[in-house]
This record gives sequence, structure tokens and C-alpha cells, in this order.
Amino acid sequence: GNSVTQMEGPVTLSEEAFLTINCTYTATGYPSLFWYVQYPGEGLQLLLKATKADDKGSNKGFEATYRKETTSFHLEKGSVQVSDSAVYFCALTTQETSGSRLTFGEGTQLTVNP
Amino acid sequence: DAGITQSPRHKVTETGTPVTLRCHQTENHRYMYWYRQDPGHGLRLIHYSYGVKDTDKGEVSDGYSVSRSKTEDFLLTLESATSSQTSVYFCAIRTGVVTGELFFGEGSRLTVL
Repeated sequence: GNSVTQMEGPVTLSEEAFLTINCTYTATGYPSLFWYVQYPGEGLQLLLKATKADDKGSNKGFEATYRKETTSFHLEKGSVQVSDSAVYFCALTTQETSGSRLTFGEGTQLTVNP
Repeated sequence: DAGITQSPRHKVTETGTPVTLRCHQTENHRYMYWYRQDPGHGLRLIHYSYGVKDTDKGEVSDGYSVSRSKTEDFLLTLESATSSQTSVYFCAIRTGVVTGELFFGEGSRLTVL
């Protein structure tokens, strides 16, 4: 079956620090990969996605590269801001998955201090 | 833009009472989902629907039922709520037909005393 493993949190950084949140996966078939972000009290929002190997998804200064050889999709940002404080979820889906459901990691809480 | 309305947004109820959560979408997306979010578990799929009257179970479906009588509405029912069902419930629609991404509602926080 499909599964997603994220680095354990919480992660606390100072403003302008470099961010990496690790995500690795196992999948039956060829997955599409996603990062979602959840701000306090809100639902999940799609942050970025990649649908084939070596694709780089990017949005709002965040990037992640689909690495098939290492089954990874690590999230990075060069300089975080206080407004980036949120919970980040890595997720995947495959065409072989019934209902085209997304499988999520446990989430990583990021806190950025001024 | 896709739109989802979940209701109620907050509910407190007692063990053994029935609860129904409603998810309403403003577009004609075929796939709809109910997830629950709990600390340490991320989001887990309860049930999903792939069309009117077409539903299937997810990984944590015990104690839940769903119905979809119209394309725009997907109802989640707890027939007899238990404290273990205290959670935040998210409805989602599949907006990425090819790539598979989901669009989420703002959530319904349920507390079962």
C-alpha cells in the first residue's frame, strides 16, 4: 500500500533561516506528490505538487523535487518568515489507488520566531 | 474557484447521540471525501464518494456512514457518537482530475463528551 513518512516535529526556526522538511514515501504505482499547508484554525491548502520524476514544484518561495531514486519529496525554503508558521503535510496519490484518495504524512509543525 | 461549505463548524455532543456533518460544494466535482485529523495521525480517510449514491470506505470507517443523494452534498453520520470520535473533520473535493489534488473545506470540530 501507499505510505508517507515525514520528519518528526515540531520544528522551530528563526526568521530568515533555511528550512528543510523531509518526506519519503512508498507507493504502489507511480505517484503524484503534494505538499499541503495548514494555518491555525484553517483547512489544508495545496502548497505545491509534482507529478513525475525530477519535477520541481514551487510556490511562495517553497520548493520540492520529486526524487524517484530516493523516493523523497523534501520541502525547502531559503528564508522563512514568521507568516510561514503552520503545519505542513506531505501527501501522495496514485492512479492505482481506489477512489484516487490522498495518503498523508503525520504533519510537521513549523514555528518561525522573529 | 472551487468552494466547500462545511456545517456545523463546531459541535459539542454527548456520547450515544447521533451526529450529521454536511459538506456542500458549489461545483460539480465527482469525487468527495471525508477525512478526520488527529494529533500524531495526520489526516485519515473515513469515506469517499465517486458519484451520486456511490460511496466506499476509507481506512477508519467503523462507526461512520455517509450518503450522497445530490452531486453537491456529502453527509457524514455518526449513528451513536463516542469519545474516540472527538476530532476535526475535513471534507474535500477532487479538483485535479489528472493530477489528483484535493481542495479542502475549513473543517468541523466535533467534541463528544
